[in-house]
Amino acid sequence: DTAVSQTPKYLVTQMGNDKSIKCEQNLGHDTMYWYKQDSKKFLKIMFSYNNKELIINETVPNRFSPKSPDKAHLNLHINSLELGDSAVYFCASSHPDYGYEQYFGPGTRLTVT
Amino acid sequence: AQTVTQSQPEMSVQEAETVTLSCTYDTSESNYYLFWYKQPPSRQMILVIRQEAYKQQNATENRFSVNFQKAAKSFSLKISDSQLGDTAMYFCASLNRDDKIIFGKGTRLHILP
Repeated sequence: DTAVSQTPKYLVTQMGNDKSIKCEQNLGHDTMYWYKQDSKKFLKIMFSYNNKELIINETVPNRFSPKSPDKAHLNLHINSLELGDSAVYFCASSHPDYGYEQYFGPGTRLTVT
Repeated sequence: AQTVTQSQPEMSVQEAETVTLSCTYDTSESNYYLFWYKQPPSRQMILVIRQEAYKQQNATENRFSVNFQKAAKSFSLKISDSQLGDTAMYFCASLNRDDKIIFGKGTRLHILP
């Protein structure tokens, strides 16, 4: 059973398009996250939700909009894609009962052409 | 501000040798969590080891152990009897009570046959 899943795993699109990445966790965790990993492998948190409520919103362009329909899902919608949005996007979840360990999804490689 | 520094961008060691990856961090919190994550070429992020700051005993997981020096804010990872499968990017991370996890820039580790 996949603990944290993301779809799609690869996404190639043109500048100016709008795209979404979906994330689901079946671990019963309360907190979910979106991270961006750039070409230099630097991993930075973008958003965090706890029980569907936004708790962390880093300095991210407002073209990025997370949505959490329930605590098992956290989707990321990106409007007007730019070349600099090309990266690997990771979803993760955690729970205090498990020492706040981040359980990561497999990542979505987004390429904007 | 919370920071995590990994001073070794890249390292290479022979198989079966012991290697130590360094990490220093800065936080104003008295209680926090520290992690080492591994990212092999498959890009999946995998937890290697976790340390809770209030525990003085160094965490150990099989061939992986940490040297946690709280006063010096140092959290190094030792890999004993290194194996080819240990080849990966290794990220040090810290988590404060605000749930925001900060990653270091990573150390690329090559295990040579």
